[in-house]
Amino acid sequence: KNEVEQSPQNLTAQEGEFITINCSYSVGISALHWLQQHPGGGIVSLFMLSSGKKKHGRLIATINIQEKHSSLHITASHPRDSAVYICAALYSGAGSYQLTFGKGTKLSVIP
Amino acid sequence: GVTQSPTHLIKTRGQQVTLRCSSQSGHNTVSWYQQALGQGPQFIFQYYREEENGRGNFPPRFSGLQFPNDSSELNVNALELDDSALYLCASSLSYSRTGSYEQYFGPGTRLTVT
Repeated sequence: KNEVEQSPQNLTAQEGEFITINCSYSVGISALHWLQQHPGGGIVSLFMLSSGKKKHGRLIATINIQEKHSSLHITASHPRDSAVYICAALYSGAGSYQLTFGKGTKLSVIP
Repeated sequence: GVTQSPTHLIKTRGQQVTLRCSSQSGHNTVSWYQQALGQGPQFIFQYYREEENGRGNFPPRFSGLQFPNDSSELNVNALELDDSALYLCASSLSYSRTGSYEQYFGPGTRLTVT
C-alpha cells in the first residue's frame, strides 16, 4: 500500500526560526511534490524532485531515495509562510501516474 | 492558470452535482482530488486525452469527462454526507511530452452536502 507520512502535524515557530518538515513514504516513487496550501484551499506547487536537493529562495527541499525520506526546510521564517505544507508521492505505471498525499503540516509563524 | 467553478456549492443528500475545471492551455492530462476537512487530498481519477487513465479508490458514482477545449467535469451521483469536501483539479502535460510530472492545481470547489 502506498502511504505517505508527514511530521509534525502542527508547527508553531517564531519569526526568523529555521523550520523543517519531514515526509516519509513506503514504496518506490517516481518523484515527490512539496505543496503549499493557504486557507481557502488553493494549492501551489513548491518543488518536484526525484533526487538530491532543490532550492528556491528561502525554501530548500531534499530527498533521500534509499531512506524513502524527504524534508522541506524554510530558512528565516516569516509570518507569510504560515500555511499548510503537504508532501505528495508520485507513483507512475501502466501509462498513468497519481499523487498520494500526506495529511499536511500546519505551520504558524508568529511575529 | 487552472480555474474551477463554482467556488462553493451546497447540495442535498441524494442529489447529483457537476464540478468544472478549466485546464492550463494545451495541457492534455487532468487529475481530480477530494480533500476532506483536515486531511490531505485523495486521488479520484485522471483523464488523458479524454479517456480515464487511472482511478483511485472511489465508487462508480464518481465519474468524469474531459473535453478537447481544455475543460473537464467531475460528476457525483447520489450524494452522501461524506462527499462534503474540497474538490481539486490539477492539469499537466503528459510525461511523454515533457519528461515531468509537474501538476498545476486549481483553487478548488468546496462542496457541502446536507
